[in-house]
Amino acid sequence: QVQLQESGPGLVKPSETLSLTCTVSGASISSYYWSWIRQPPGKGLEWIGYIYYSGSTNYNPSLKSRVTMSVDTSKNQFSLKLSSVTAADTAVYYCARGTVTTTGYYYGMDVWGQGTTVTVSS
Amino acid sequence: DIQMTQSPSTLSASVGDRVTITCRASHNITTWLAWYQQKPGKAPKLLIYKASTLESGVPSRFSGSGSGTEFTLTISSLQPDDFATYYCQRYNSFFGPGTKVDIK
Repeated sequence: QVQLQESGPGLVKPSETLSLTCTVSGASISSYYWSWIRQPPGKGLEWIGYIYYSGSTNYNPSLKSRVTMSVDTSKNQFSLKLSSVTAADTAVYYCARGTVTTTGYYYGMDVWGQGTTVTVSS
Repeated sequence: DIQMTQSPSTLSASVGDRVTITCRASHNITTWLAWYQQKPGKAPKLLIYKASTLESGVPSRFSGSGSGTEFTLTISSLQPDDFATYYCQRYNSFFGPGTKVDIK
């Protein structure tokens, strides 16, 4: 079955760049939208943005100035970079697969990674 | 930007109760709404997409309805496994703030 696995440093210093990768197994990265979502401790889900397998992106306006997403189809991976982090960026970060057909039909985010905890602290 | 709200924020219920959660969008999103269930320490799980279509494998006691700006998630008879937090989401992007269903 399709599985997603987040990887990256669990501790990032303030003002530095958070970098995470999501590895997709059991399916091709092609033809899907790949999202990053985060959840600060004790809070709700925050959508960070998505990248289509072709490389087109859509970011949450509140984070847009600090977010860069990329995709590597040869490795079946996609990545998140969040710059100038502060303690407010401490959260569990999830990657997820979203299905949107060519006619715009959205099937939801049906596959999620287990999440990785990132703490911003000096 | 389109804002998503949910009510109530917390709901206390008993096993067997019928439970209804409401999600509202600040602008018309037609039926492009999904619902997720999240348990502590776990990733969210897709329950419903396109407002009312049940994801494969999700029990039929879950149902969704609505269109435009107002949507509901209903659990017809609450089971012990259903105590969790529920989130609505608009089209591949923003989530609502969540509704925690706990034991009365």
